[in-house]
Amino acid sequence: ETGVTQSPTHLIKTRGQQVTLRCSSQSGHNTVSWYQQALGQGPQFIFQYYREEENGRGNFPPRFSGLQFPNYSSELNVNALELDDSALYLCASSSGLATYEQYFGPGTRLTVT
Amino acid sequence: AQRVTQPEKLLSVFKGAPVELKCNYSYSGSPELFWYVQYSRQRLQLLLRHISRESIKGFTADLNKGETSFHLKKPFAQEEDSAMYYCPWGDKIIFGKGTRLHILP
Repeated sequence: ETGVTQSPTHLIKTRGQQVTLRCSSQSGHNTVSWYQQALGQGPQFIFQYYREEENGRGNFPPRFSGLQFPNYSSELNVNALELDDSALYLCASSSGLATYEQYFGPGTRLTVT
Repeated sequence: AQRVTQPEKLLSVFKGAPVELKCNYSYSGSPELFWYVQYSRQRLQLLLRHISRESIKGFTADLNKGETSFHLKKPFAQEEDSAMYYCPWGDKIIFGKGTRLHILP
C-alpha cells in the first residue's frame, strides 16, 4: 500500500501565471480533498472530488479548479496567480464519502513572485 | 451553521503535567469532530475521532454535549507530544487555526 504523494515538492511562479499541482491518492481511495495552508494558518478547504465529480467547495474563487481521474489521482489548477496564493497546498485522500480519516500528502510549496 | 473554535493559539505544558487542548463547537444536529496532529516535518494525521472513543498515544477526547466541547486530554505530557493540534469538523474536514502544544522539559 502506497501513501499519498504530491508533485512537485516546490514551485515558483510569477503573478498572472497558471499552475497545476498533482496528487496521487492512497491505494483504494476514491475521494480526494485539496487544502491551502498559508504560513501559520490551518489548512483551508478548497474542494473535494469523489469518483471524478466535485463534491463540495470551500470559499475559493473559480480560478481554483480541479480534476479527478479514473485512477483517482487528482490535479489542482490555479489560474491568474496572485501573490496571496503563495502557500502549502495539501491533498488528502479517503475512502468513500464518510471522510472520517483522511490521509494527507506532504504538500506542494507554491511561491508566487 | 456549525462552527468549531480552538481558543488557544499556543499551549505550553511541563513534561509530566496534564494536557488539555480545548475545542468548542456550536452545532445544529450531531457534530462530526476529530483531532488531527502535525508533528514537526511530518504529515498531518488523524489522532482521534469522536465516534471511536479510543485512546491514541495516551490522548482521549470526550464529546460533552452539555458544554459543547471536545477537549483533547492526556494525563502526563511527553516531549514527543509537541506538535500542532487541530480540531476539524464536518464531513469535509474543515480546519481552524489549531493550537501549538509545546512541552517544556
